Amino acid sequence: SQQGEEDPQALSIQEGENATMNCSYKTSINNLQWYRQNSGRGLVHLILIRSNEREKHSGRLRVTLDTSKKSSSLLITASRAADTASYFCATDATGGSYIPTFGRGTSLIVHP
Amino acid sequence: NAGVTQTPKFRVLKTGQSMTLLCAQDMNHEYMYWYRQDPGMGLRLIHYSVGEGTTAKGEVPDGYNVSRLKKQNFLLGLESAAPSQTSVYFCASRHLRGEKSRWNSPLHFGNGTRLTVT
Repeated sequence: SQQGEEDPQALSIQEGENATMNCSYKTSINNLQWYRQNSGRGLVHLILIRSNEREKHSGRLRVTLDTSKKSSSLLITASRAADTASYFCATDATGGSYIPTFGRGTSLIVHP
Repeated sequence: NAGVTQTPKFRVLKTGQSMTLLCAQDMNHEYMYWYRQDPGMGLRLIHYSVGEGTTAKGEVPDGYNVSRLKKQNFLLGLESAAPSQTSVYFCASRHLRGEKSRWNSPLHFGNGTRLTVT
């Protein structure tokens, strides 16, 4: 069963706009991870945010985590056509199993 | 440093045939995972391994077997393929040694094997 659920399922924007994707999860977590998947390829790790962190940045990416609401958001600023991909969140639940559970993903299309 | 390598990239099987998918990682990672990805379903865990010689079931293990005889390799077997096993299969690995790194360690994925069972 999916622990994380991304919202929206699909997002279509113009180049230069910001893209925001959200992830909600159900149980207590140790960390939350965001991955990108280009068509026909494997997932690539973007950012990992630990449960005691509230915000993290990497280049044009900004991730926030609200453990009280069990939610996270991924913001891509000044999007580019090359950002077109599917984005997934994954969580490591507390308990030490080290088995990340993935959501169904958000499909982002950035029009040039 | 190739990371995680999956072979083959594509395969077409007939119902009832068997095959083995190979995953190899050169990062000396302890944990390895097999996921399947189906449209609209995200990634679902089939089996995983926490170290050489150990395997465990994930969310959807039926119809699959795995082995991890060497730390760098994780094999996924289909003994009698069914059309429901048509999917894209991803292998991933993870470094989890040491308390400090344990909760800062992401997964590293291969590029997948696209399997069609007719």
